[in-house]
Amino acid sequence: AQTVTQSQPEMSVQEAETVTLSCTYDTSESDYYLFWYKQPPSRQMILVIRQEAYKQQNATENRFSVNFQKAAKSFSLKISDSQLGDAAMYFCAYRSVTSGSRLTFGEGTQLTVNP
Amino acid sequence: NAGVMQNPRHLVRRRGQEARLRCSPMKGHSHVYWYRQLPEEGLKFMVYLQKENIIDESGMPKERFSAEFPKEGPSILRIQQVVRGDSAAYFCASSPDRPSLCRAFFGQGTRLTVV
Repeated sequence: AQTVTQSQPEMSVQEAETVTLSCTYDTSESDYYLFWYKQPPSRQMILVIRQEAYKQQNATENRFSVNFQKAAKSFSLKISDSQLGDAAMYFCAYRSVTSGSRLTFGEGTQLTVNP
Repeated sequence: NAGVMQNPRHLVRRRGQEARLRCSPMKGHSHVYWYRQLPEEGLKFMVYLQKENIIDESGMPKERFSAEFPKEGPSILRIQQVVRGDSAAYFCASSPDRPSLCRAFFGQGTRLTVV
């Protein structure tokens, strides 16, 4: 069974600075997808970024980028130029290519952005 | 195109009552997933359904919980004889007919409180 671990329950960053959130996972599969979701106080789950395991190039979406290390089974999220609106709970998630769109989530990292 | 719609947003039930949570997937989506988020935790997979079929219910508690996705109408997650431990946020996600190609879209969740 796949597992996803986020070892940082809480993180904080100063506005306009950069922060990195960690995620590791365990799987025996060679092809899969990884995601970062953001959950603000409204509880809506918002997709931030996704990475296909077969792609070596790290995904980037504006101020959000990932550092995907397949051999180490690591998938960290970097937020550049942090904004107050980035404050939220961030979840790392894994999806097998054989399980439809079923996601396995980590426990989450609560990000605080200080003005 | 409306997003995934869940209702009610908030539901209060007394111990022993039944809770019925509804999820209308996005238009054109025939795959539905239910997740449960206990306080201070990540989302945990419960069940994966396609129209009129349960595909994977490995995350569902063996008793009191059931789910359906009829040919017409929303998907229903039903919890019989609720207990305090059922208090959580329940999220529904939907994906299109080719889930291997696309991501799942989440609803805003139903917060169930058992008193």
